[in-house]
Amino acid sequence: DARVTQTPRHKVTEMGQEVTMRCQPILGHNTVFWYRQTMMQGLELLAYFRNRAPLDDSGMPKDRFSAEMPDATLATLKIQPSEPRDSAVYFCASGLLLLGVPGANVLTFGAGSRLTVL
Amino acid sequence: QKEVEQNSGPLSVPEGAIASLNCTYSDRVSQSFFWYRQYSGKSPELIMSIYSNGDKEDGRFTAQLNKASQYVSLLIRDSQPSDSATYLCAVAKTSYDKVIFGPGTSLSVIP
Repeated sequence: DARVTQTPRHKVTEMGQEVTMRCQPILGHNTVFWYRQTMMQGLELLAYFRNRAPLDDSGMPKDRFSAEMPDATLATLKIQPSEPRDSAVYFCASGLLLLGVPGANVLTFGAGSRLTVL
Repeated sequence: QKEVEQNSGPLSVPEGAIASLNCTYSDRVSQSFFWYRQYSGKSPELIMSIYSNGDKEDGRFTAQLNKASQYVSLLIRDSQPSDSATYLCAVAKTSYDKVIFGPGTSLSVIP
């Protein structure tokens, strides 16, 4: 089964440290999403890319978060400096989204990166 | 108003009963609708998608869509303890657009 791979699975860090999360999307998928999940806010969209180009990062705190896709096999989400309120599970999801094709935007999620900022 | 809202739950049903999960969305032009299931500590996985008004059945699951009322629902017939999970409603404007998730409804099926 094709899968989305995320690393690290767990990260504990101290406030002020830089955190980088990585995602390998499914080969052939053209769209990659970053979501953050907390009990209070649910699953929030942070940013997404199509064919490596950023389309929407309005859900991200711009001053500390950055998302990139340096190549088709790697998406990164960086937090610098990290804060306790960033503690959450960060999910990467990918899909082959096609214009005018109902059902194309089905997403496959990675296992998530659980971040704890002390 | 949030883009996607769901009944807050938690919802508890006895084994064998019908579980009914509801979702409303704010963007009238939305065309793609999904139900994902998320077990505790796991990632969301797709259960069903629906694009046209009416009902869509898949085994014990039935998704219902009413675009005029901006309402989507999921019925689970003959609920099993293994159905206990959080159910996430998701919406997209088109097949090419970002997918927005609701807050989820926690379902507990009591043996």
